[in-house]
Amino acid sequence: EAQVTQNPRYLITVTGKKLTVTCSQNMNHEYMSWYRQDPGLGLRQIYYSMNVEVTDKGDVPEGYKVSRKEKRNFPLILESPSPNQTSLYFCASSFGSPPERQETQYFGPGTRLLVL
Amino acid sequence: SQKIEQNSEALNIQEGKTATLTCNYTNYSPAYLQWYRQDPGRGPVFLLLIRENEKEKRKERLKVTFDTTLKQSLFHITASQPADSATYLCALFPGYSSASKIIFGSGTRLSIRP
Repeated sequence: EAQVTQNPRYLITVTGKKLTVTCSQNMNHEYMSWYRQDPGLGLRQIYYSMNVEVTDKGDVPEGYKVSRKEKRNFPLILESPSPNQTSLYFCASSFGSPPERQETQYFGPGTRLLVL
Repeated sequence: SQKIEQNSEALNIQEGKTATLTCNYTNYSPAYLQWYRQDPGRGPVFLLLIRENEKEKRKERLKVTFDTTLKQSLFHITASQPADSATYLCALFPGYSSASKIIFGSGTRLSIRP
């Protein structure tokens, strides 16, 4: 089954304790992306990757890191989480790089993070 | 500043009527615009994409229009059903100058009452 998986689905942590949220897709997609979703603010792009070893900042990259060492995986790293990073996080992937082939994005189920 | 806005936070209509959702943007020249559906606690699900050179796109009971002069996209659900109740998001790819970013609106929560 074609899918994007994220782990963990729920996470409670404390300020400053490094964490990683994993994202994996089995569709051989080139483009992967991380979003956070907050009430009233919608989905905001954190980082995206157009292919292996190619990453770039979205609109809200501060406090986050990513890596793309393999095509299928795109982990999100919070080196020193803070309470304002409490949010619902989504990973997404799509077949190709913009603009010609950037079509459907497939989203993961989400990771709900609480930073105390 | 660059913005993408969806007309209202919530829309409540009677079953069987046509629901029309609006997405307006400023200061972008998007190559395309997408519409997604999101149910509570779940990730968004892609519905339709419309390109800058297309005026209208249809898929079953769904129709999307794109007016680059008005900087607006309309999303229509005809013969609406309670199962169509969800939050609908528009998203645009800003264009070549913004690399590969994707910008989302904050969504419209649609409720279809029986």
